[in-house]
Amino acid sequence: EVQLLESGGGLVQPGGSLRLSCAASGFTFSSYAMSWFRQAPGKGLEWVSSILSGGNTDYADSVKGRFTISRDNSKNTLYLQMNSLRPEDTAVYYCAKGLLLCDDWGQGTQVTVSS
Amino acid sequence: QSALTQPASVSGSPGQSITISCTGTSSDVGGYNYVSWYQQHPGKAPKLIIYDVSKRPSGVSNRFSGSKSGNTASLTISGLRPEDEADYYCSSYTTSSTLVFGGGTKLTVL
Repeated sequence: EVQLLESGGGLVQPGGSLRLSCAASGFTFSSYAMSWFRQAPGKGLEWVSSILSGGNTDYADSVKGRFTISRDNSKNTLYLQMNSLRPEDTAVYYCAKGLLLCDDWGQGTQVTVSS
Repeated sequence: QSALTQPASVSGSPGQSITISCTGTSSDVGGYNYVSWYQQHPGKAPKLIIYDVSKRPSGVSNRFSGSKSGNTASLTISGLRPEDEADYYCSSYTTSSTLVFGGGTKLTVL
């Protein structure tokens, strides 16, 4: 059974940083693209970033230059380093297995950017 | 990248069929057969119900079907059930190597 467990969310001041983690199990992590999505309160889903199995990365324009996605295949863990956080980054952040089709999702971790 | 356009809400009675549209451009929906649909119940993570325009993941009911014509994709749910009441989101791959979502459609089963 595939399991994805996000952690690292919390309350941070504008301009601050957070690193989210997503611990994966139940599949061959190194063989799959992985993605981060977010959902602001009462809003729709938004793609944030993806990393392919080979390490290539892509970002939404809204986070490019501020967020960095990475993976540690030895630890079966996906990361999202978030710098220069803004109030509009407040959302539940989900990690998901895949890119073009995301068939497994974590339960999400809340990130709140507020002073 | 602009969001895909979905109706804000649709409704139907149990047993009926409904269709949710998802309109993009030739740079996303019209340019690739990489349209996915997700179902999300309140407080829950999204669930993939359609990928590659019309394919269903294992375990997803055949009451859910997808199609595409030009720049518009569609999700049809037949034989509506109360448990289908949820938010539905379309997504598409884009020429910028990004993913774009629709704004979401709230389905109410009357």
